[in-house]
Amino acid sequence: DAGVIQSPRHEVTEMGQEVTLRCKPISGHNSLFWYRQTMMRGLELLIYFNNNVPIDDSGMPEDRFSAKMPNASFSTLKIQPSEPRDSAVYFCASSLSGGAPTDTQYFGPGTRLTVL
Amino acid sequence: SQQGEEDPQALSIQEGENATMNCSYKTSINNLQWYRQNSGRGLVHLILIRSNEREKHSGRLRVTLDTSKKSSSLLITASRAADTASYFCATRSMNTGANSKLTFGKGITLSVRP
Repeated sequence: DAGVIQSPRHEVTEMGQEVTLRCKPISGHNSLFWYRQTMMRGLELLIYFNNNVPIDDSGMPEDRFSAKMPNASFSTLKIQPSEPRDSAVYFCASSLSGGAPTDTQYFGPGTRLTVL
Repeated sequence: SQQGEEDPQALSIQEGENATMNCSYKTSINNLQWYRQNSGRGLVHLILIRSNEREKHSGRLRVTLDTSKKSSSLLITASRAADTASYFCATRSMNTGANSKLTFGKGITLSVRP
């Protein structure tokens, strides 16, 4: 299996622009997670899906952030409009079953976002 | 606030030495997991220890869990330069329903000098 696939790997954009990050989870995994990692705040869970349904989006910073999972093999995280403080590495992770206590997560390589 | 807090924040050792990293948490857990992150990469799961377990081994890794002290330690024996990475503990709360999620600490940066 190719693992979790994220695109793009790097994104540089200007403040105010729309940014869309993409993720393909591991085939057969039912749960998908979006994280943001910064030096100051560490790794933060933004949102996660079970069977394509958003379960917990309490980590989404504000209305500028939105996430979708139209099918089991694809998810997007959109920031509109982007701001410099959104600069971070965004990770997508998937797991067999997010609700199972011993579930472990498989991370993608991340998207490094820089907002100028 | 983060559930897991790792200690120390950074650790530098010589190749061949053992590395010990600690994690403390605040609430009751179902299990605790350790992940590794190499520079510029995603996190990779290393080992999981359940709340009813006290010690677990996997290759050169040894994890202990003390639920009375709400702490865990990760020991890497005979370290290698390739072990240089950041290490994160993550806790799964006792709520095992659909809203149970992993909460990650801020990580420990381990440098192994050749």
